[in-house]
Amino acid sequence: KAGVTQTPRYLIKTRGQQVTLSCSPISGHRSVSWYQQTPGQGLQFLFEYFSETQRNKGNFPGRFSGRQFSNSRSEMNVSTLELGDSALYLCASSLFGSESQPQHFGDGTRLSIL
Amino acid sequence: GEDVEQSLFLSVREGDSSVINCTYTDSSSTYLYWYKQEPGAGLQLLTYIFSNMDMKQDQRLTVLLNKKDKHLSLRIADTQTGDSAIYFCAGLKSILTGGGNKLTFGTGTQLKVEL
Repeated sequence: KAGVTQTPRYLIKTRGQQVTLSCSPISGHRSVSWYQQTPGQGLQFLFEYFSETQRNKGNFPGRFSGRQFSNSRSEMNVSTLELGDSALYLCASSLFGSESQPQHFGDGTRLSIL
Repeated sequence: GEDVEQSLFLSVREGDSSVINCTYTDSSSTYLYWYKQEPGAGLQLLTYIFSNMDMKQDQRLTVLLNKKDKHLSLRIADTQTGDSAIYFCAGLKSILTGGGNKLTFGTGTQLKVEL
């Protein structure tokens, strides 16, 4: 069974640009969550999607957005990029996002802002 | 608050046991997880424990939970060089307003295994 797939693995952008990251969950998983990992702030929750609906959002500005498609694949978008957005963005999936179901992570997309 | 603290570094000799500790302030998480992160990779789920359990053993891994002291630990028996990585504890918490859950992570412990 394939794991969580994130594309691209690496991205380099400049300030002010926008970026879209993609996540394909494990087959059959319907909940997709996104996390940002930086050396200074550690791992922080961005948002969670289930059945094409955003259920929860972390404490990030509106420049961070996402969506989920009917096949459970998800994308996240960051507009007007800032230097501080440089990070590893991790996607995780679980069956229905319930408490008893662990989240499985992809290898992440490393975003560098110049 | 949702602070989850871990010691930054741990160094052990190959073959010894490693104990990675985690303390947390918010005790509302129903499941507590341990993840491993190797360089350039994502998070690998190692094991997890339900909050009403005290201990869980899974091959070389033993998780101990002391709810009274809000302390979680991961013991790795017979530590190998391949165990060198960063280890994160995390609590899975329900979000009542929207449904679903989110993970709150510890700061991570860098485990170095020396020959």
